[in-house]
Amino acid sequence: QQPVQSPQAVILREGEDAVINCSSSKALYSVHWYRQKHGEAPVFLMILLKGGEQKGHEKISASFNEKKQQSSLYLTASQLSYSGTYFCGTVTGGGNKLTFGTGTQLKVEL
Amino acid sequence: EADIYQTPRYLVIGTGKKITLECSQTMGHDKMYWYQQDPGMELHLIHYSYGVNSTEKGDLSSESTVSRIRTEHFPLTLESARPSHTSQYLCASSRGGLGNQPQHFGDGTRLSIL
Repeated sequence: QQPVQSPQAVILREGEDAVINCSSSKALYSVHWYRQKHGEAPVFLMILLKGGEQKGHEKISASFNEKKQQSSLYLTASQLSYSGTYFCGTVTGGGNKLTFGTGTQLKVEL
Repeated sequence: EADIYQTPRYLVIGTGKKITLECSQTMGHDKMYWYQQDPGMELHLIHYSYGVNSTEKGDLSSESTVSRIRTEHFPLTLESARPSHTSQYLCASSRGGLGNQPQHFGDGTRLSIL
């Protein structure tokens, strides 16, 4: 089953914050986050392993709630360069096979 | 930077032709993947490989086939292309591990079947 992301789309003004959520119906081993700009390949942002850790990458951070099988991506003080489609990818059990979520389109405007 | 290459970047071809999409990586990664992505939509895994001579079908059924004779090379073949195969195909690779390694993507092949 494909993870469900919310919201589907969001428009921000530069400097505003956003939260993107990813929910799965299966027990998760890890959650990956990627950003894809129009016409380009997805680019890796971060991985969270089960254990409820929170990771940060400059002004982008994420958390993983193992009990709820949910992950959230936090974008603070958004910049124009943050625009793109964000995908979560989930791994269940062992292996490295990702199931990507439905995607969230984010647009940052001046 | 990841070193994974896909050719061609764009391909427009007629129905019934045999097509091979190339994917090569220079990182020595054991695991390789093929995804299909329609414009503005999510990525669907169609094939993956955990090493030489290992190939598995992904979550989305596909009429394409793959082979993994060398670690660095993971080509995808369509024996007889149809308009329903029109899409973008993305190749990716990752190190071994248990879901804790990032996937590195190529730039993709945009395929259009007339």
